[in-house]
Amino acid sequence: EIVMTQSPATLSVSPGERATLSCRASQSVSSNLAWYQQKPGQAPRLLIYGASTRATGIPARFSGSGSGTEFTLTISSLQSEDFAVYYCQQYNNWPPVLTFGGGTKVEIK
Amino acid sequence: QVQLQESGPGLVKPSGTLSLTCAVSGGSISSSNWWSWVRQPPGKGLEWIGEIYHSGSTNYNPSLKSRVTISVDKSKNQFSLKLSSVTAADTAVYYCARRPAAPGNAFDIWGQGTMVTVSS
Repeated sequence: EIVMTQSPATLSVSPGERATLSCRASQSVSSNLAWYQQKPGQAPRLLIYGASTRATGIPARFSGSGSGTEFTLTISSLQSEDFAVYYCQQYNNWPPVLTFGGGTKVEIK
Repeated sequence: QVQLQESGPGLVKPSGTLSLTCAVSGGSISSSNWWSWVRQPPGKGLEWIGEIYHSGSTNYNPSLKSRVTISVDKSKNQFSLKLSSVTAADTAVYYCARRPAAPGNAFDIWGQGTMVTVSS
């Protein structure tokens, strides 16, 4: 099983500042990496797939980068609605054993 | 647009079987997508349970495989989850989700989730 490790567990950021979230895979997942945003009481929402492609309707302030085992989600200028928990997830192997990272909570500083 | 809606009992007794259904609306379950179940224990992260294609082909999380059955009902445009021998550790919000079958794709549509508590 590919283990996904996210850091930090909690990120305190002021509105308008940049947030940088990290995700590391225990073995290469190529670019088969997605990022999700989850707010309290809501289902996760797909932000990024293919490591760097924004999903439909996702604002340009969200960007993803990386390949192999190291990935980054950057929120260029945090808006109030961006304070949430973010998960990375790999979908590389076949047959699939899809795994999520433990999450990064982005909170207001 | 495609929408997913979970349904099923919110309370299951220990050692019993958890049964949930996900209704697909606004699109066909016979489209080129895998249909998945993902769960989230209270205050914790996400865990993929397994998925099914409209042909009936399935993939399961090895950690749950011995207890999980996912099935599809094309006539009703829905798919279902059965998890047997449940314990308190299976208490979670259960989500159904869609994952396009194109090589390497993520969960792009999710249901709202349904809370299932395992308790006597």
